[in-house]
Amino acid sequence: DAGITQSPRHKVTETGTPVTLRCHQTENHRYMYWYRQDPGHGLRLIHYSYGVKDTDKGEVSDGYSVSRSKTEDFLLTLESATSSQTSVYFCAITGTSGGKSYNEQFFGPGTRLTVL
Amino acid sequence: QQQVKQSPQSLIVQKGGISIINCAYENTAFDYFPWYQQFPGKGPALLIAIRPDVSEKKEGRFTISFNKSAKQFSLHIMDSQPGDSATYFCAASPDSWGKLQFGAGTQVVVTP
Repeated sequence: DAGITQSPRHKVTETGTPVTLRCHQTENHRYMYWYRQDPGHGLRLIHYSYGVKDTDKGEVSDGYSVSRSKTEDFLLTLESATSSQTSVYFCAITGTSGGKSYNEQFFGPGTRLTVL
Repeated sequence: QQQVKQSPQSLIVQKGGISIINCAYENTAFDYFPWYQQFPGKGPALLIAIRPDVSEKKEGRFTISFNKSAKQFSLHIMDSQPGDSATYFCAASPDSWGKLQFGAGTQVVVTP
């Protein structure tokens, strides 16, 4: 799976609690992305990173923050979870690795988050 | 609003038949049009992609047709197999490393 892991894979939490999802890659790719997947909406970009400490907002960034202190890790934080953030979250990576440039985004296995 | 509109929502096709999924976009800055395939419980995986300088790209049983003037592109799955049963997403981006805008997805079921 292109060397991407996400943790946790499943999480149930309560409204108002903070939640952090982790994406870890072993490919040394420069670009990392967080998407959420909801029925009828496909995948929507939350935040992305184009390098260590370089991040920017996607189309559905409200209520989410991210951090990238190392190339291999991209964290997504829900400061105060709401029921509308119940979703499946996917991390993706792309870039150049081992001298080869990739033209596709590789997706992780996803995290299913339920906010009660 | 969704920048990439995908249809149909779902599709049932018999084994050996042709599956056709259509997508339309508005943003003329889009320069990269991939299709992703997703099986239940898995992340999406790139199936095939095209750039607007060609009108068609074929890889095995999968073909993308691209109409730049109409701002439409479609995926054709020839000789559909039960193993092709999955959800298919079209997407678009200003470049292959850019922010992907996804369609809503099409669930394809291939009956034996």
